[in-house]
Amino acid sequence: LAKTTQPISMDSYEGQEVNITCSHNNIATNDYITWYQQFPSQGPRFIIQGYKTKVTNEVASLFIPADRKSSTLSLPRVSLSDTAVYYCLETGGFKTIFGAGTRLFVKA
Amino acid sequence: NAGVTQTPKFQVLKTGQSMTLQCAQDMNHNSMYWYRQDPGMGLRLIYYSASEGTTDKGEVPNGYNVSRLNKREFSLRLESAAPSQTSVYFCASSHGQGGQPQHFGDGTRLSIL
Repeated sequence: LAKTTQPISMDSYEGQEVNITCSHNNIATNDYITWYQQFPSQGPRFIIQGYKTKVTNEVASLFIPADRKSSTLSLPRVSLSDTAVYYCLETGGFKTIFGAGTRLFVKA
Repeated sequence: NAGVTQTPKFQVLKTGQSMTLQCAQDMNHNSMYWYRQDPGMGLRLIYYSASEGTTDKGEVPNGYNVSRLNKREFSLRLESAAPSQTSVYFCASSHGQGGQPQHFGDGTRLSIL
């Protein structure tokens, strides 16, 4: 059973900023929040990880409020190639649990 | 720069046959994992190996065995395949302590008739 809750699907248009929010109602104190991206016929690919506040890399930003009950993955100016499934996870031990993820569809 | 390599990429088995899925990583990672992914669902952990010489059960270990052959290689064996094991199998590796980002292979698509 997934620990996190995220929307099943989202639609966007090219050039828009996309924000995907995940709920972490019972996150463990030592757990990090990690996001993965998965394209069809490929394995998941690590996007970003954080513990608290904001983390930014060349691909995305991750916002985590002080209470850590949620996280928001922000993808700036999406393109058609960002169409994929996005997973949020609580990662601490080795037993990683993936939910069904959010299917993002980017339209021209 | 191969990363995580899985073989074979596709396989069709008959019920009751046995099969070993191979996984190798070239990133000097300590930990390795096997997952299965059914259509429209997230990945479920079958087994993991925190370090060379150790293996532990994940969420769905029944019907599978694993071997951590050395630091690079982690194999998954189906002793008597069942149609319910039709799935896409992913191998992953990470540096070490739990929670580290995992690097995934491109999967093995397994069909059991």
